[in-house]
Amino acid sequence: GDSVTQMEGPVTLSEEAFLTINCTYTATGYPSLFWYVQYPGEGLQLLLKATKADDKGSNKGFEATYRKETTSFHLEKGSVQVSDSAVYFCALSGAAGNKLTFGGGTRVLVKP
Amino acid sequence: DVKVTQSSRYLVKRTGEKVFLECVQDMDHENMFWYRQDPGLGLRLIYFSYDVKMKEKGDIPEGYSVSREKKERFSLILESASTNQTSMYLCASSFPSTGSTYNEQFFGPGTRLTVL
Repeated sequence: GDSVTQMEGPVTLSEEAFLTINCTYTATGYPSLFWYVQYPGEGLQLLLKATKADDKGSNKGFEATYRKETTSFHLEKGSVQVSDSAVYFCALSGAAGNKLTFGGGTRVLVKP
Repeated sequence: DVKVTQSSRYLVKRTGEKVFLECVQDMDHENMFWYRQDPGLGLRLIYFSYDVKMKEKGDIPEGYSVSREKKERFSLILESASTNQTSMYLCASSFPSTGSTYNEQFFGPGTRLTVL
């Protein structure tokens, strides 16, 4: 079945540092890929998405590129802020398009 | 703004109790979902519903049931709570996704359930 693997956290960074969170997936066919973010005490919010190979999703300074050849969708941000402290989830929507398969989540802590 | 609300933020129950978790959405979404969130495991789908009175098992349905009598409301039921059901429960809703069109799932704030 479908699966998503992402790097374990926590990831601790200083403000203005570069952030990368690795995500790889296994799926049949051509899934859509997503990053969701969960701020403390809140539900998940969609951060960005990509629906086909080589698509780049971007939002709030975050970017991720759908790499079919390496089955990856790594999340990057060039200069993080304290307000980016959250848990980040990589997810895919496969053949059964209404369901999401999530990775384990990566907690990011940005210190001033 | 889309609103998905859950009946409680925190809940403490005893082993063997019947537990109801309620979720309400105000966007007329056909799809509704229940997930549990555990550290290191991410979110795992328990059940989802694509229409009133319709339901489909997710990846971990054992020990749970659901009810959807009205379009806006989706209830998760723990028939006899056990300690291994201590977790964060998240509800989500969306319009149906078809083919290459993905419709975003909107999440509620979660209910942290502790079973003693």
